[in-house]
Amino acid sequence: GNSVTQMEGPVTLSEEAFLTINCTYTATGYPSLFWYVQYPGEGLQLLLKATKADDKGSNKGFEATYRKETTSFHLEKGSVQVSDSAVYFCALSPANQAGTALIFGKGTTLSVSS
Amino acid sequence: GAVVSQHPSRVICKSGTSVKIECRSLDFQATTMFWYRQFPKQSLMLMATSNEGSKATYEQGVEKDKFLINHASLTLSTLTVTSAHPEDSSFYICSARNALNTGELFFGEGSRLTVL
Repeated sequence: GNSVTQMEGPVTLSEEAFLTINCTYTATGYPSLFWYVQYPGEGLQLLLKATKADDKGSNKGFEATYRKETTSFHLEKGSVQVSDSAVYFCALSPANQAGTALIFGKGTTLSVSS
Repeated sequence: GAVVSQHPSRVICKSGTSVKIECRSLDFQATTMFWYRQFPKQSLMLMATSNEGSKATYEQGVEKDKFLINHASLTLSTLTVTSAHPEDSSFYICSARNALNTGELFFGEGSRLTVL
């Protein structure tokens, strides 16, 4: 079946450090891949997405590349800020399954200190 | 961009009462809405899929008589927690898929339910 596996947190970094949050998936065909961010006490916001292999999604300094060969969609940022502290969820939308819900990873908590 | 609004954002109720949470798509038509439940420091658990004009499809283990879902229009879905108990306390999040079905979901701000 379809599933998403994220690295377990929490991830604790100092400001301006490099961030990587690993995400791998299991799915048939070519799912769409997403990263969502949840700030404390809020709902989820789409951070970036990629819909086909080798696509790179980017937003607010975050990037993730859809790697079909390694079934991965790792999230990276070159220099994190305190305001990036949040929970990050990797998710997929199954290929050719119109109307189905997203499948989420368990989330990774990022804490950035100044 | 597309906006999904949930109301109320926070609700506290006594055990045994029922609580209704609304989810509205403000600038697009949503043929499908999803209701998730999030436990502290955990991922989102899909509760049910709500299709406009038809009965909701519940995930295994979710009591349909406890969590009533209505999707009467293309812009509104409601979740009613009936006879709420403390174990129903949670963060409930709805999401909506644009009728154009681009694969992207838009999420509401979430509703935190506390049952005393």
